[in-house]
Amino acid sequence: KAGVTQTPRYLIKTRGQQVTLSCSPISGHRSVSWYQQTPGQGLQFLFEYFSETQRNKGNFPGRFSGRQFSNSRSEMNVSTLELGDSALYLCASSRTSGKQAGNEQFFGPGTRLTVL
Amino acid sequence: GNSVTQMEGPVTLSEEAFLTINCTYTATGYPSLFWYVQYPGEGLQLLLKATKADDKGSNKGFEATYRKETTSFHLEKGSVQVSDSAVYFCALRNYGGSQGNLIFGKGTKLSVKP
Repeated sequence: KAGVTQTPRYLIKTRGQQVTLSCSPISGHRSVSWYQQTPGQGLQFLFEYFSETQRNKGNFPGRFSGRQFSNSRSEMNVSTLELGDSALYLCASSRTSGKQAGNEQFFGPGTRLTVL
Repeated sequence: GNSVTQMEGPVTLSEEAFLTINCTYTATGYPSLFWYVQYPGEGLQLLLKATKADDKGSNKGFEATYRKETTSFHLEKGSVQVSDSAVYFCALRNYGGSQGNLIFGKGTKLSVKP
């Protein structure tokens, strides 16, 4: 069974640009969550999508947005990039919504975003 | 609110040494607790979990016991190997009325020398 895949694996952008990252969950999984990992702040939750609806959102500015398609694939978008957005962005998939107990999340390898 | 505190790293051990990485948490209700491991250049892998008080999670020689009285979930391994070198994250997930996302500690980098 294929794992969670994320594309691209590496990305370099400049301040002010926007970027779109993609995540394909494990087959049969309907929930996709996104996390940001930085040396200073650690791992922080961005948002979760389940059945094409945002179910949960972390404490990030509106420049960070996402969506989920009918095949459960998800994209996240960051507009007007800032230097502080440089991070590893991880996505995780699970069978059901994160609000359900016992629901395990499987992580992808991440997309390394560098903002210059 | 919910939070996780784990010991600062890095931790450097010799092969076959005993490992303890401390983790304590603050949460309302009855969270599930997890240890994840991240190898260089990779995403997170679930190492073990415990869903209720006194549960012991175990995997690949690693163990952690959910201690509600001390709000702790310390990770232990009796004899580490060079291949255990990685960053270890303690995390919780609180389903009781909250949003259900994972809340992570800062991570502890482990280096095992031959």
